Amino acid sequence: QKEVEQDPGPLSVPEGAIVSLNCTYSNSAFQYFMWYRQYSRKGPELLMYTYSSGNKEDGRFTAQVDKSSKYISLFIRDSQPSDSATYLCAMRGNSGTYKYIFGTGTRLKVLA
Amino acid sequence: EPEVTQTPSHQVTQMGQEVILRCVPISNHLYFYWYRQILGQKVEFLVSFYNNEISEKSEIFDDQFSVERPDGSNFTLKIRSTKLEDSAMYFCASREVGTGANEQYFGPGTRLTVT
Repeated sequence: QKEVEQDPGPLSVPEGAIVSLNCTYSNSAFQYFMWYRQYSRKGPELLMYTYSSGNKEDGRFTAQVDKSSKYISLFIRDSQPSDSATYLCAMRGNSGTYKYIFGTGTRLKVLA
Repeated sequence: EPEVTQTPSHQVTQMGQEVILRCVPISNHLYFYWYRQILGQKVEFLVSFYNNEISEKSEIFDDQFSVERPDGSNFTLKIRSTKLEDSAMYFCASREVGTGANEQYFGPGTRLTVT
């Protein structure tokens, strides 16, 4: 079983739709959960991070973590064509060097 | 807003040649990382560096790889004898050190092409 699994997509939605992006993981030691946005041939850009379980909201973005199910989500409200990118989930434990383990990324296309 | 910078943006080299990829982390950050992303694959951890020494390295980071902080601002990744399979995007990241200092900030990457 892969440590972090993420549907690669592509996911195509109309402008204004609510987008749901998800990752599952197997390592129960993961405590911190991040979402990055990556445009083609660019570096990952941090969108949100969450510690342990719960929700976190920032503008149009909401991150959810359900540690009991080992499942994390990112919701994008009122999606825009500029949101078209690859969304990477990343996670880490609470010790060591804090290296991140990434999912493969989900490619999102928001159609105007 | 402070950001991580990397040079060059694209490096083409022949198999067997040495390459040095350069990074300037965010100025008050003390923990540095290199990750790589082979085209179409996930971002993978290579190495972390703190207090002038390697803190952790992955299986990918073999004897052909080395890292160095040659001065107070630069952080470099050297590949001694490049192979075709080293072709990838290489990302540098940095973070603060301290309670709750979790977020890693990534640079724009260096695309390495080995021919």
